[in-house]
Amino acid sequence: EDQVTQSPEALRLQEGESSSLNCSYTVSGLRGLFWYRQDPGKGPEFLFTLYSAGEEKEKERLKATLTKKESFLHITAPKPEDSATYLCAVGLHTGGFKTIFGAGTRLFVKA
Amino acid sequence: EAGVTQSPTHLIKTRGQQVTLRCSPISGHTSVYWYQQALGLGLQFLLWYDEGEERNRGNFPPRFSGRQFPNYSSELNVNALELEDSALYLCASSSQGGGIGAEAFFGQGTRLTVV
Repeated sequence: EDQVTQSPEALRLQEGESSSLNCSYTVSGLRGLFWYRQDPGKGPEFLFTLYSAGEEKEKERLKATLTKKESFLHITAPKPEDSATYLCAVGLHTGGFKTIFGAGTRLFVKA
Repeated sequence: EAGVTQSPTHLIKTRGQQVTLRCSPISGHTSVYWYQQALGLGLQFLLWYDEGEERNRGNFPPRFSGRQFPNYSSELNVNALELEDSALYLCASSSQGGGIGAEAFFGQGTRLTVV
């Protein structure tokens, strides 16, 4: 069964304390892996797309990496405004559209 | 450039009523996706429309339906509302459908509360 698991469920960091969020997947036929940021009560904001193992993308304090089984979202020297839920999703090779979202990691950054 | 817009932003309905939610995709995007996000839960895929046709639907009962118009905007209809339908309903659009890995951009959602 296709599955996407994010860990940890919640992460509390001090401002400036770097860390990583994990997204592991068990799917058949990965087309792309997406990272989103979601603030409470709002729609997810697109961050990155990764297509193949070894690929990396960066945006400000965020860096996403991809292996054949998982993706990491590295947060370097986070600030309180980075507090949000980070969602991982995988797009699959199927006869039609199929994207599976993970449950997300809630990140809290304290000043 | 305008992003994905959804209306209304908030809605309160009584159990058993019907509701229609609306979504306008980013200009040039032909695919529209609907998701349900119940409080504290992940995004659950509802429907995918592309070029005016329903291409796929998630594991939701038939009382969840929708359509896409010639201008690619879309409506989500929910009949016979139940308390557990209370959720944030999100619409997303992309320039390519079919699960080919194109990123989707989301609207701000419609918060539906069923009482």
